[in-house]
Amino acid sequence: EDQVTQSPEALRLQEGESSSLNCSYTVSGLRGLFWYRQDPGKGPEFLFTLYSAGEEKEKERLKATLTKKESFLHITAPKPEDSATYLCAVQAVGGATNKLIFGTGTLLAVQP
Amino acid sequence: DAGVTQSPTHLIKTRGQQVTLRCSPKSGHDTVSWYQQALGQGPQFIFQYYEEEERQRGNFPDRFSGHQFPNYSSELNVNALLLGDSALYLCASSPADRLSYEQYFGPGTRLTVT
Repeated sequence: EDQVTQSPEALRLQEGESSSLNCSYTVSGLRGLFWYRQDPGKGPEFLFTLYSAGEEKEKERLKATLTKKESFLHITAPKPEDSATYLCAVQAVGGATNKLIFGTGTLLAVQP
Repeated sequence: DAGVTQSPTHLIKTRGQQVTLRCSPKSGHDTVSWYQQALGQGPQFIFQYYEEEERQRGNFPDRFSGHQFPNYSSELNVNALLLGDSALYLCASSPADRLSYEQYFGPGTRLTVT
């Protein structure tokens, strides 16, 4: 069964304190791995897509990496406005659709 | 360029009632997916519509049904509401060019069943 596990469940950082979020996945065949940011009561906001092991993507203070078993979202020198829930999702090859299978997310709080 | 839009924003219903949620996809997108997100959980796939047909369904009962219109907009209907149906309902759309696999989400509809 395709599955996504994210850790930690919650993370509290001081402003400027870099860290990483982990996303471990089990999927029959990976079409893509996706990172989203979600603010309270809002819909997920697309951040990155990674398609193959070794791929990396960057956006401002965020950098996403992918291996055959997991992905990391690295946050460099975070600011309070980076506080949000970060969701990881996978798409499997085959099947009739491009449905996403999500983890439960990491709640990030960045304190000034 | 308008993104994915959903209506209404919030909804309060009583057990046993029926509800209809609406979604308009992003311009240039023809595929619409619906997800249910319970508090503290990740979104769960309900079903996906493409060419006005349901293409795949997640692990949800037949009380959940949907429709896609010729302009690609979509509706999610839930019958015989249960307290456990209280959640944030998200609509996501995908581009018609099939060059990428990203899904873009709307702001969601918060459904509360009392």
